[in-house]
Amino acid sequence: AQSVAQPEDQVNVAEGNPLTVKCTYSVSGNPYLFWYVQYPNRGLQFLLKYITGDNLVKGSYGFEAEFNKSQTSFHLKKPSALVSDSALYFCAVRDSSSGGSYIPTFGRGTSLIVHP
Amino acid sequence: NAGVTQTPKFQVLKTGQSMTLQCAQDMNHNSMYWYRQDPGMGLRLIYYSASEGTTDKGEVPNGYNVSRLNKREFSLRLESAAPSQTSVYFCASSYRDLHNEQFFGPGTRLTVL
Repeated sequence: AQSVAQPEDQVNVAEGNPLTVKCTYSVSGNPYLFWYVQYPNRGLQFLLKYITGDNLVKGSYGFEAEFNKSQTSFHLKKPSALVSDSALYFCAVRDSSSGGSYIPTFGRGTSLIVHP
Repeated sequence: NAGVTQTPKFQVLKTGQSMTLQCAQDMNHNSMYWYRQDPGMGLRLIYYSASEGTTDKGEVPNGYNVSRLNKREFSLRLESAAPSQTSVYFCASSYRDLHNEQFFGPGTRLTVL
């Protein structure tokens, strides 16, 4: 079975400060990991993904995420937050093993609030 | 290239009424999905279609039916709406391979009175 957890419902950060949104996962095989962002009254937008290779993945809008296999984590990061980054962020996982589910499992989402 | 489109954007129904939510994608994706999003519940999969001609139940299929009309279109039908189906509904599509990301539509906000 595959699962994903986003331990924080909300993250608050001041503009200009670095931000981290946490995600941990559980799969039987190797994970395919995704981050999505949802702005108010919009659909989810793809930010970045980890498939294989370099543990540091760079994505849209200056975001990056670090895959850590030993800690089963895939935290989303940005060096300097903008007020416009305020949104809901979702982590998702698929299990690449033959017994893994075709359907991705989403976390419950983390609300990021960036204060001016 | 419009991506994933959904109609309508908003809808108000009375209990017992029926309606169909429409979804279309122009990216030549094999797979399409219907999700609902409720506060504190994240995204929950209603139905999906791995490829044209197939549909399968997701986590919360009760009270819904789907039709994969062709490769582009995937509709969601509520036969007899209930207040518990008040939600925001998102359609998504992707290529079939596991490493591919999903593309989401703008959503339909449905209220059932």
